[in-house]
Amino acid sequence: AQTVTQSQPEMSVQEAETVTLSCTYDTSENNYYLFWYKQPPSRQMILVIRQEAYKQQNATENRFSVNFQKAAKSFSLKISDSQLGDTAMYFCAFMTGNQFYFGTGTSLTVIP
Amino acid sequence: KAGVTQTPRYLIKTRGQQVTLSCSPISGHRSVSWYQQTPGQGLQFLFEYFSETQRNKGNFPGRFSGRQFSNSRSEMNVSTLELGDSALYLCASSLEGAYNEQFFGPGTRLTVL
Repeated sequence: AQTVTQSQPEMSVQEAETVTLSCTYDTSENNYYLFWYKQPPSRQMILVIRQEAYKQQNATENRFSVNFQKAAKSFSLKISDSQLGDTAMYFCAFMTGNQFYFGTGTSLTVIP
Repeated sequence: KAGVTQTPRYLIKTRGQQVTLSCSPISGHRSVSWYQQTPGQGLQFLFEYFSETQRNKGNFPGRFSGRQFSNSRSEMNVSTLELGDSALYLCASSLEGAYNEQFFGPGTRLTVL
């Protein structure tokens, strides 16, 4: 069975600081994709960053980067220089065989 | 380019009724996926349609069904509604599949009384 675990239900960070959100997953598949999605309050979900499992290099999108540890099945998200607009629910997701699995989310609050 | 639209935005139904939700993907996107979001279960994948065919299905009972039309618009139907079906139903579209970037709609909030 495929599972995605986000062990931090809530986190907070001071504006301009760095925060890391954790995600672990379990799968026996070798080919899969990993994602972080962001859902701001009362707004639509948007893709933050995407990683293909066959790529060893960690994905980076501006202030967002991941630490992908395939052997450990870990996929954490680092947000640098946190901004107030980063306040949102963050979902880690995993996809294999066109099936999608989401974690339960981490609610991040950026404090001014 | 217009985003993903979902109608209606809010629905109130009673147990035993059926409901149909609609999703219009971004122009040119052929894949449409549906998700159920609840506070207790989080986000769960319902199914994905691609070129009018259901390509994948999550672990939901047969009361949940869908279809996709030739213009890629998709509908989701839930029959014999139960209280536990109360949720935010999200639709997402992508060019070829969910492994691409998915663009989510605002969702339809379904309340079953």
